[in-house]
Amino acid sequence: KNQVEQSPQSLIILEGKNCTLQCNYTVSPFSNLRWYKQDTGRGPVSLTIMTFSENTKSNGRYTATLDADTKQSSLHITASQLSDSASYICVVTPMKTSYDKVIFGPGTSLSVIP
Amino acid sequence: ETGVTQTPRHLVMGMTNKKSLKCEQHLGHNAMYWYKQSAKKPLELMFVYNFKEQTENNSVPSRFSPECPNSSHLFLHLHTLQPEDSALYLCASSQGGPRPLHFGNGTRLTVT
Repeated sequence: KNQVEQSPQSLIILEGKNCTLQCNYTVSPFSNLRWYKQDTGRGPVSLTIMTFSENTKSNGRYTATLDADTKQSSLHITASQLSDSASYICVVTPMKTSYDKVIFGPGTSLSVIP
Repeated sequence: ETGVTQTPRHLVMGMTNKKSLKCEQHLGHNAMYWYKQSAKKPLELMFVYNFKEQTENNSVPSRFSPECPNSSHLFLHLHTLQPEDSALYLCASSQGGPRPLHFGNGTRLTVT
């Protein structure tokens, strides 16, 4: 069964510190892996997308990595800010399926405190 | 300002009420979706419309009834809901393929 798991479930860090969120998936083969950020009371917003052939993608202070061999992805946040407090969701799209068959992880809730 | 607008933002309804959620997208996308988001669970796909035609009904109970009058508007009609239906209901749109889903800010539904 295609699944996406994320760890940790929640995380609290001090402002200015770095952190790394993990995503493990069993979807194979897959077309792309995307990280979304969901602020409280808002819908998710796409941060990064990587195809199966890419192994890193950056968006400002956010850097996503992908290891297709171990089926793991990570999202690294550098010099965290209070506005980074949100839920981060890993989403995998299986290969050769209709575009609505994306598989969502449960998310990691990040709290950045002063 | 999101390109996908959902109303209302919050809704409290009794189990015998009938209400509707509305979604409008201003992005010119072909596909629209309803998702249910419960605490600490992955988003659950409920319905998909592609060019106004329903292409997915993910075993959703009949107390949820979608309507897509055109490619820009999507409704979710609710009747005789259960307390376990309390959740955040998210509407999304996309242009299909590998392009991202664009979500609205959701309707927080509480069933009493």
